Amino acid sequence: ETGVTQSPTHLIKTRGQQVTLRCSSQSGHNTVSWYQQALGQGPQFIFQYYREEENGRGNFPPRFSGLQFPNYSSELNVNALELDDSALYLCASSSTSGDTEAFFGQGTRLTVV
Amino acid sequence: AQTVTQSQPEMSVQEAETVTLSCTYDTSENNYYLFWYKQPPSRQMILVIRQEAYKQQNATENRFSVNFQKAAKSFSLKISDSQLGDTAMYFCAFTPIFGNEKLTFGTGTRLTIIP
Repeated sequence: ETGVTQSPTHLIKTRGQQVTLRCSSQSGHNTVSWYQQALGQGPQFIFQYYREEENGRGNFPPRFSGLQFPNYSSELNVNALELDDSALYLCASSSTSGDTEAFFGQGTRLTVV
Repeated sequence: AQTVTQSQPEMSVQEAETVTLSCTYDTSENNYYLFWYKQPPSRQMILVIRQEAYKQQNATENRFSVNFQKAAKSFSLKISDSQLGDTAMYFCAFTPIFGNEKLTFGTGTRLTIIP
């Protein structure tokens, strides 16, 4: 059973505002990846954090930023929200130790109005 | 860059029947992993099955099996004895073998199991 938790589950923001989404990784996992899933689409890789450093980034502008904390939990920050940022944001945790799979949280549904 | 293509936006099948979902991909990598994920209405991505590209034997997990054709870059999922709980979105995904699980997903297939 996955131990990845995301908060909040739903969020409504106004265009131009800033938002912070949170993810607690599964115990023993040191890597967190963030994905954006627009309605009717597959998830798109935003970025990954490993040991508190960004470890790869997809095709997203700099207003998408993140943090990873010493306990391996993570935040996704989005500045200057646009209507197209409305999506399900998924967090996945994994480990670089051995052959482990990525476990996903239930996501945060962000609506920008 | 990798791309993953799922050409079946929607499928439906009667309960207890067998259904096959298609996936093709494009990559210049020689070693990689392929995955099928299930996303039910709860939104949480659940791993169904994984295939290592360097293994010629097709992966199986209970009622789920894959047909991996590396030369054709094809990776289909077969669900046998389908159950109502199999109703969900199914996503095919790819990661290079040293990609640290940075996944490239297809656009998904919505599967409905009909009672």
